[in-house]
Amino acid sequence: KAGVTQTPRYLIKTRGQQVTLSCSPISGHRSVSWYQQTPGQGLQFLFEYFSETQRNKGNFPGRFSGRQFSNSRSEMNVSTLELGDSALYLCASSRDSYQETQYFGPGTRLLVL
Amino acid sequence: GQNIDQPTEMTATEGAIVQINCTYQTSGFNGLFWYQQHAGEAPTFLSYNVLDGLEEKGRFSSFLSRSKGYSYLLLKELQMKDSASYLCAVNANDYKLSFGAGTTVTVRA
Repeated sequence: KAGVTQTPRYLIKTRGQQVTLSCSPISGHRSVSWYQQTPGQGLQFLFEYFSETQRNKGNFPGRFSGRQFSNSRSEMNVSTLELGDSALYLCASSRDSYQETQYFGPGTRLLVL
Repeated sequence: GQNIDQPTEMTATEGAIVQINCTYQTSGFNGLFWYQQHAGEAPTFLSYNVLDGLEEKGRFSSFLSRSKGYSYLLLKELQMKDSASYLCAVNANDYKLSFGAGTTVTVRA
């Protein structure tokens, strides 16, 4: 079974631009979660989607948004990029319930200049 | 908020045993996960504990005490490839994981 895939793997943007990251979950997984990982803050939860609905949201500004499609693929968008948004963005999928193991994709490394 | 603590760094010798502790204070508890993350790579799932006790998987074991808010990951017969960051994560009472800062384990020859 194929794992979680994320595109693109690397991205360089400048301040003020916006970016869209994509995540395809493991086949049969309906829950997709997004995390931001930085050296200083570690892994921080952004949001989680299930059946095209956002079920939970972390403490990030409204510039961070996401959506999920009917095939469970998910995208996250960051508008008006700031230098501090430079990070590894990880997507994880699981079947459903909150007791399910989450499996991570390889991540998208975003550098904001 | 959720509070999850684990040591920052640990060093051990190849073939030895290392125990990584994790303590947590969360608003609820639906399970504790351990992930391994090599530098520049994504976290990979190691173990899941929801009931008290020890779960063993080959060279890796994980223990949970819910009453003490405590878990540990035991790595036996350490190999050089075990050099990585080990992340403790708790699912409190919703659909998100709260992660500790991670413990960097360095295995020396």
